[in-house]
Amino acid sequence: GAGVSQSPSNKVTEKGKDVELRCDPISGHTALYWYRQRLGQGLEFLIYFQGNSAPDKSGLPSDRFSAERTGESVSTLTIQRTQQEDSAVYLCASSLRQFNQPQHFGDGTRLSIL
Amino acid sequence: DQQVKQNSPSLSVQEGRISILNCDYTNSMFDYFLWYKKYPAEGPTFLISISSIKDKNEDGRFTVFLNKSAKHLSLHIVPSQPGDSAVYFCAASAQGGSEKLVFGKGTKLTVNP
Repeated sequence: GAGVSQSPSNKVTEKGKDVELRCDPISGHTALYWYRQRLGQGLEFLIYFQGNSAPDKSGLPSDRFSAERTGESVSTLTIQRTQQEDSAVYLCASSLRQFNQPQHFGDGTRLSIL
Repeated sequence: DQQVKQNSPSLSVQEGRISILNCDYTNSMFDYFLWYKKYPAEGPTFLISISSIKDKNEDGRFTVFLNKSAKHLSLHIVPSQPGDSAVYFCAASAQGGSEKLVFGKGTKLTVNP
């Protein structure tokens, strides 16, 4: 389809393991964002990529979290040594790099840490 | 420190009536505001937006009003339909939307047939 694609849709893992989440943005969208939503909460910003500029990492909660993006394509979010408080839905969004253009979201990865 | 607040966690209306969802913000740098609709197990779907240079934007049954002096925006849905039942998130951004979105915690709307 033409929307933002995320994989896996669900991930269950044991505490202490590393996980990698993937996002395929809408073709032509130069901006890519990661958010997470904990149960009963709003979406929290994690990291933002815009073209070849340095990413805005101001929302990453700890150094266990990192993300990469190659050019204007796929992005991966990696969480090392997962903790139970990392359990959340991780959402990716992309947008055109123009004023007043909305971000479009994927369906997210539901991460459960046992 | 919540920069975007949706003070009503839930709202219930009858089919055909108006639904009004409210949102307040504190950061005067915000200049682009959006409403997203979210169904369970799906990502947020963009609904409607408004730039700070406007005070109203309309798209079909959906109208967003912005009161900059009060730092308040609202979403009106007229007439409400059962399919509108979902969680609605208000979001705000600076730099014309090119920056990160700051979200409220959402309002769960139930439209009763």
